[in-house]
Amino acid sequence: QQQVKQSPQSLIVQKGGISIINCAYENTAFDYFPWYQQFPGKGPALLIAIRPDVSEKKEGRFTISFNKSAKQFSLHIMDSQPGDSATYFCAASIGKPGGYQKVTFGIGTKLQVIP
Amino acid sequence: DVKVTQSSRYLVKRTGEKVFLECVQDMDHENMFWYRQDPGLGLRLIYFSYDVKMKEKGDIPEGYSVSREKKERFSLILESASTNQTSMYLCATITRGASYEQYFGPGTRLTVT
Repeated sequence: QQQVKQSPQSLIVQKGGISIINCAYENTAFDYFPWYQQFPGKGPALLIAIRPDVSEKKEGRFTISFNKSAKQFSLHIMDSQPGDSATYFCAASIGKPGGYQKVTFGIGTKLQVIP
Repeated sequence: DVKVTQSSRYLVKRTGEKVFLECVQDMDHENMFWYRQDPGLGLRLIYFSYDVKMKEKGDIPEGYSVSREKKERFSLILESASTNQTSMYLCATITRGASYEQYFGPGTRLTVT
């Protein structure tokens, strides 16, 4: 079953608009929630991340909103630009014995920002 | 600047062939991962390694094996390639500390015919 559900799968936004991608998770043991951005031909790269004790984190035009009781979190891209066109993955991770984090990814959202 | 490199960007193999995908990182990270990326399925963990010669199965290990003889190198092996293993394969490492960041390689697009 999908532990991290992401929607929508694709999104078209006009330049200057707000892009919103939503994710929901099941496992309350998750303790770290990153978002990754992937451009064509490249591997994903960390965009922004949040811990569950914080309800919002903002970095430039990118904001994560986190609702612990609803087990939901979302990425907001303000003033969306054509250069933001990429695939975005939400993820949730949990610490495992051996000191590593097991990361579970959503299915991805392909964002297209049109001029 | 962390660098994760993968041996091939594109690979075409025949059904039944043994396939090796190589990954090298230059940041002395203990943990390394292999994922496959498929449309509509996101990134799924195949195997990971938390130290040299140590490995653990991920969510979809069937049909794959791995090798980690040196800290900087993590190999994914398809013992007998099948068409349903046609996919994008991504290698990654992860930092440790207060925040965790995975660093991904550029990916290998494998086609099995």
